[in-house]
Amino acid sequence: DTGVSQNPRHKITKRGQNVTFRCDPISEHNRLYWYRQTLGQGPEFLTYFQNEAQLEKSRLLSDRFSAERPKGSFSTLEIQRTEQGDSAMYLCASSLADPNEQYFGPGTRLTVT
Amino acid sequence: AQSVTQPDIHITVSEGASLELRCNYSYGATPYLFWYVQSPGQGLQLLLKYFSGDTLVQGIKGFEAEFKRSQSSFNLRKPSVHWSDAAEYFCALLRYNTDKLIFGTGTRLQVFP
Repeated sequence: DTGVSQNPRHKITKRGQNVTFRCDPISEHNRLYWYRQTLGQGPEFLTYFQNEAQLEKSRLLSDRFSAERPKGSFSTLEIQRTEQGDSAMYLCASSLADPNEQYFGPGTRLTVT
Repeated sequence: AQSVTQPDIHITVSEGASLELRCNYSYGATPYLFWYVQSPGQGLQLLLKYFSGDTLVQGIKGFEAEFKRSQSSFNLRKPSVHWSDAAEYFCALLRYNTDKLIFGTGTRLQVFP
């Protein structure tokens, strides 16, 4: 299967702990996006990369959040000192620059207790 | 500011009936428009997209959508719904020259046998 993959699929953590999620995009896609989805809402943009460069960050992305894409392939999203409000589904998507059709992975569901 | 509105939170149809899901957008120029479907606990699957040209676009799973500039709408249709179509449907726009999708809040489709 050559789709977008995300790991882990589920993560339960205690408030104050750090968590890291991984996203592997479709291999030929140079753009990679992170979105967050809370219950009953559509996904909200967090950040995106073109190759290894992080080009945009949403104001939703507080200082506790950091994302990397070190070699322009997979990406990690780290949340430090998790809070209950961080509980959400974290979705990764990838695309070519043109056309910009974003293909999503299955998501990582984070529960902060 | 760009936005997407999906007026119907929840729609129920009988299997075999026709379906129309509404989507309205706010944007000063012609946006790129998308419909995604999300099954419970899963990521989003791209159903169809509109970039330019023919205003009636065909997608996967027998879905189609029509772009109407005068009404700022991009409604999704299917002539005969199957039970497997039960899911959450999201309309999204991508502003030209930016790379983040802006999603509506979604419409949950329930299908009765």
